[in-house]
Amino acid sequence: GAVVSQHPSWVICKSGTSVKIECRSLDFQATTMFWYRQFPKQSLMLMATSNEGSKATYEQGVEKDKFLINHASLTLSTLTVTSAHPEDSSFYICSASAPRGGAGEQYFGPGTRLTVT
Amino acid sequence: KQEVTQIPAALSVPEGENLVLNCSFTDSAIYNLQWFRQDPGKGLTSLLLIQSSQREQTSGRLNASLDKSSGRSTLYIAASQPGDSATYLCAVKDQAGTALIFGKGTTLSVSS
Repeated sequence: GAVVSQHPSWVICKSGTSVKIECRSLDFQATTMFWYRQFPKQSLMLMATSNEGSKATYEQGVEKDKFLINHASLTLSTLTVTSAHPEDSSFYICSASAPRGGAGEQYFGPGTRLTVT
Repeated sequence: KQEVTQIPAALSVPEGENLVLNCSFTDSAIYNLQWFRQDPGKGLTSLLLIQSSQREQTSGRLNASLDKSSGRSTLYIAASQPGDSATYLCAVKDQAGTALIFGKGTTLSVSS
């Protein structure tokens, strides 16, 4: 089956620093990747949709200058949390959509737990 | 804007019981619907994917149904086991290529 990896799986950083999270589709080419955020005991909230080679589309309320998304290849998307603050502490999950027609299934990475101190 | 609601928010049952988790969505024009399982602090495990043209999907002890016209889906778990304890998330996709929209989940606890 389709496999999506994320790196790192967890990270602790100090307030004011930046953190980069990588999302890779390991055995398929993903034209579209999605980034979600999940706060404790909450559901997944879509942050942005990223299409390879173009700028990401951010959901309302998500600061594009704070959460930088790059999707430079069909197998890699990165999310950089700039000038992180404790309220950015969350579980970040990426998802990749296979370009094969029909199912439109999204494959999810294992998530990255970010803690900002 | 599509909204997904899951009822109940939490459920506790003894081992062996059959149970039903409910999911409703506001816009019935969906592309597909997917059920996931999430263990505490972990990522998502896809359980069942139902295309808009389908009525149900089965995998082992799990059966998911879809009634697009009423905007509802149910996840039926037969003969529940303690290992089934987790949060179950329902998500819908409005169009191919768009993102899944998630409900808040049902947290299931199965006691032995």
